[in-house]
Amino acid sequence: ETGVTQSPTHLIKTRGQQVTLRCSSQSGHNTVSWYQQALGQGPQFIFQYYREEENGRGNFPPRFSGLQFPNYSSELNVNALELDDSALYLCASSLRGLGNTIYFGEGSWLTVV
Amino acid sequence: TQLLEQSPQFLSIQEGENLTVYCNSSSVFSSLQWYRQEPGEGPVLLVTVVTGGEVKKLKRLTFQFGDARKDSSLHITAAQPGDTGLYLCAGAPSGGYQKVTFGIGTKLQVIP
Repeated sequence: ETGVTQSPTHLIKTRGQQVTLRCSSQSGHNTVSWYQQALGQGPQFIFQYYREEENGRGNFPPRFSGLQFPNYSSELNVNALELDDSALYLCASSLRGLGNTIYFGEGSWLTVV
Repeated sequence: TQLLEQSPQFLSIQEGENLTVYCNSSSVFSSLQWYRQEPGEGPVLLVTVVTGGEVKKLKRLTFQFGDARKDSSLHITAAQPGDTGLYLCAGAPSGGYQKVTFGIGTKLQVIP
């Protein structure tokens, strides 16, 4: 139990639709990162939010966007879904600082058909 | 882009055997973490190493961070079926924000 909760756990969307995934971070953690993990791959960094501002982005197109709220919870939004967006989306929270560890939620399984 | 290479990618061994998984990079990391992931679940943290040359033990698991903080190893003694899973190493870069880079993972199967 990491204290990081994600919703929904599973969802199916149609190509071209939009999706919003939600994450509640561990108490006291001010940094949230989102990762995409395709089947058989390691997690790929999408972006990170620190104190409600985007603080680093991986190699993902602009149709991947996010928000962090004052209580440090976060959303990941994906527009114009493509079949290749099917993956496990992981949220991780941490307390910013050297050596601080990130803690993952259980993930949201997205299937695009 | 900082890359982490893990080897081997797949490992199938008999219960009771020992094994070592490697995580290598040409980049320096401020810290390195090892995770274990079960199918359909998020990664679960096993250990964080921060100091070059650091060795940490977690029961039958021994983790080592290279002196130059570019590589790490995970050694499992007397593997058990419950050790089966995907082992991921992840490194946080020096300075700046904590964009953690993951390796592709090592899929371990321990056969009873």
